Amino acid sequence: GENVEQHPSTLSVQEGDSAVIKCTYSDSASNYFPWYKQELGKRPQLIIDIRSNVGEKKDQRIAVTLNKTAKHFSLHITETQPEDSAVYFCAASQAGTALIFGKGTTLSVSS
Amino acid sequence: GAVVSQHPSRVICKSGTSVKIECRSLDFQATTMFWYRQFPKQSLMLMATSNEGSKATYEQGVEKDKFLINHASLTLSTLTVTSAHPEDSSFYICSARDRVFGYTFGSGTRLTVV
Repeated sequence: GENVEQHPSTLSVQEGDSAVIKCTYSDSASNYFPWYKQELGKRPQLIIDIRSNVGEKKDQRIAVTLNKTAKHFSLHITETQPEDSAVYFCAASQAGTALIFGKGTTLSVSS
Repeated sequence: GAVVSQHPSRVICKSGTSVKIECRSLDFQATTMFWYRQFPKQSLMLMATSNEGSKATYEQGVEKDKFLINHASLTLSTLTVTSAHPEDSSFYICSARDRVFGYTFGSGTRLTVV
């Protein structure tokens, strides 16, 4: 089955800096790669996603890149703000199957 | 967008008792529901996949006789934790996939077994 590795587990940046979180997946059949932000005790919130027919997607300060050949995808957050502090999860799935999550990254943005 | 309603949000039960968690898709038909468990400071771990009208498929290491899943209708899936023990204390969350809105998560259930 699918296995998703996520790095780093913790990331501390200064306000205004960029943050990058990287994930690799094992199943070449996976074709959907979302990123979630989760606050303590809450459901995960989708922040951006990318499908395997696209190499990059951007939404304001957030971007995701996908390298299908290397089977890795990354989340980029620019101009970080304190409210970006949270736990971020990457995930991978094939069409219609369950999302398999990475272990998460705790992002801390200090002002 | 699609909404999945999950109840209860919190439950405390005594060791040895059973607890039922419900997930309802409110504005779409969820033919498939995914159940996850999340321990503190850990990731969401897939427990099982339930399909309406058929037996659930459990992930390796998840006891099917302990975590009973029923998906009797297109809008309701339930997870029953039987003979709960303190080590079953966790955050349980369901997810359904809709063709239009993608994956939608319930709000989660915090189970504490005392």
